[in-house]
Formats: sequence, C-alpha cells, structure tokens
Amino acid sequence: DGGITQSPKYLFRKEGQNVTLSCEQNLNHDAMYWYRQDPGQGLRLIYYSQIVNDFQKGDIAEGYSVSREKKESFPLTVTSAQKNPTAFYLCASSIMVMGNQPQHFGDGTRLSIL
Amino acid sequence: AQKITQTQPGMFVQEKEAVTLDCTYDTSDPSYGLFWYKQPSSGEMIFLIYQGSYDQQNATEGRYSLNFQKARKSANLVISASQLGDSAMYFCAIDDGGATNKLIFGTGTLLAVQP
Repeated sequence: DGGITQSPKYLFRKEGQNVTLSCEQNLNHDAMYWYRQDPGQGLRLIYYSQIVNDFQKGDIAEGYSVSREKKESFPLTVTSAQKNPTAFYLCASSIMVMGNQPQHFGDGTRLSIL
Repeated sequence: AQKITQTQPGMFVQEKEAVTLDCTYDTSDPSYGLFWYKQPSSGEMIFLIYQGSYDQQNATEGRYSLNFQKARKSANLVISASQLGDSAMYFCAIDDGGATNKLIFGTGTLLAVQP
C-alpha cells in the first residue's frame, strides 16, 4: 500500500548529539514537509520541499537541517543547536498541483532528551 | 499571514448525537483552502475534509460536513451521529493560497464521545 513511513517511532538524544529522523513516501508526491508538535499545541512547520534538491525554511527552522536527494526521501536532522528538541515530529507529503491539496502524514517520531 | 483560531480546547458529546467544532480563520489571499484533520491518541494525522474558498457548496464526506461561512471567515466541522471512535484531537488548517501547499494549523479541539 502507498503511504509515508517515518522511523524510528521513538528516539532518544543525548545532549550535544545530532540525530536524524527518516521519512520515506511511495505516493509519488512532489512536496514533502516536516512539522513539530508540542503537547497541547498544533503543528508548526520546520522545513518543506517542493522538488528534489530544493527545500525552504518554515516557521521554526533554527536548529534543524534537511536534505532532498531523492523524491521519495526527506530526512530531518535535529542538531545540537536545537536547545529544546523534545517533541513529536510529523512528516507529510502532497501533490503539487495549484495548491489546495491535502497533505498526507506519517505516524510520527517522538524525540526525547536523555 | 494566515491564522487559524480554534476556541474550544475540549468538547463532550453523547454517542449518536451531532457535534460542531468551531474554526475561524484570517487570510488576505483571495484563494485558499481549509482542511480538517483528526489526530487519535496514537498520533497520526488523518485528513477528513477540504473546502476551497471558491467552492459554492459546503463540503461533505460521510458523517463529516463543513459549515463554510465565508463572510464570517468560519469553517466549522460538523460530525453527525458521533461514535466512540470519534474521540480524538481535531485540527483545522488553512493553506497559504499559493503554490507551496504550506498549512497553518490551529491549536486543536479535544473531542470526547461519551457512551
């Protein structure tokens, strides 16, 4: 079945360590997105990519980095510069046709600080 | 910039009754889309329904309907015949009206369906 796969489901980070969250989609979608969700809050956009080898900062990009080397993959690295990384991270993808297309989400990764 | 406001942090509804979840929005774009998502306790975001700003009729998808009042800038979600499985967080979102498909989300409403 087509869908979005995020891994791992749970991730623990030590102080000063970079960690990478995986996001893979087989929906043949052009656009991919990373969101952060804190308890009791909505989703905030970290980065997005509309095409391979191109990506744009969202509203809270500081302390994060991404790459888009393949259409199917959009990994997110949480760097040591992100001082409060504990959150639920959701990856999404959508068709890029004149906007107004629903985003489809993965099951998320819960990141915690050790 | 776009903004979504959901003023109901939590709601209760009896099983089999209808419930309305409020959503108001703010945007300066003439063309935009409004979305509702459901997030169960497991965390995944499930797309429920979409309304385009130029759509003449309110969107419906099974038990979900969207009460779109453009002049009031509101896009309330109506769930008919509530089921226990409807208990979840519900998020309203708006896109940026351009070609990026970026979504701005509200803070959500927690719906609890009681037997």
